[in-house]
Amino acid sequence: DGGITQSPKYLFRKEGQNVTLSCEQNLNHDAMYWYRQDPGQGLRLIYYSQIVNDFQKGDIAEGYSVSREKKESFPLTVTSAQKNPTAFYLCASSPRGLEGAEAFFGQGTRLTVV
Amino acid sequence: GDSVTQMEGPVTLSEEAFLTINCTYTATGYPSLFWYVQYPGEGLQLLLKATKADDKGSNKGFEATYRKETTSFHLEKGSVQVSDSAVYFCALITDTGRRALTFGSGTRLQVQP
Repeated sequence: DGGITQSPKYLFRKEGQNVTLSCEQNLNHDAMYWYRQDPGQGLRLIYYSQIVNDFQKGDIAEGYSVSREKKESFPLTVTSAQKNPTAFYLCASSPRGLEGAEAFFGQGTRLTVV
Repeated sequence: GDSVTQMEGPVTLSEEAFLTINCTYTATGYPSLFWYVQYPGEGLQLLLKATKADDKGSNKGFEATYRKETTSFHLEKGSVQVSDSAVYFCALITDTGRRALTFGSGTRLQVQP
């Protein structure tokens, strides 16, 4: 089945550690996105990529890093510089350049700092 | 910049009641508008969308009309069910500038039997 897969579903990190969240899609979409969701809040854009080997900062990029070496993959690293990383992280993908094209979301990764 | 404002929740309704969730937006370009739904512990699913003024998106009994004059995209359903309990997000993407969805804060709907 075509879709977007995030792993792991739950992740625990000790303070001061970097951790990488995986996002893979087999929908042949050019564009991929990372959002952060906090309780009672909407989704805030961390990073996005419209094409392989290119990505842009979103609204809350500080303390995060990404890479886009393959079309199918867009991993997110939460670094020790991120002061409050406990949140629900959502990855999405969409076709590029199509008006009103739907974004497809993964099931999310819940990151907890212990 | 672009922004989306939704009514605060939670919205609590009895089964078969009428639902309205308000959504207004500001956008620098010409937006496409979306409603997404999130069930507990899951990602978001597209519920409906509209890409130009006066378009009506509809799906599973939900409807929303793109009103450019009032910059609104209110979600409605004539008769809600317990299974509709979820968080609903209004979102937009414009044809200029950043090509990424901008979301509202979400509205939690609780439907009681």
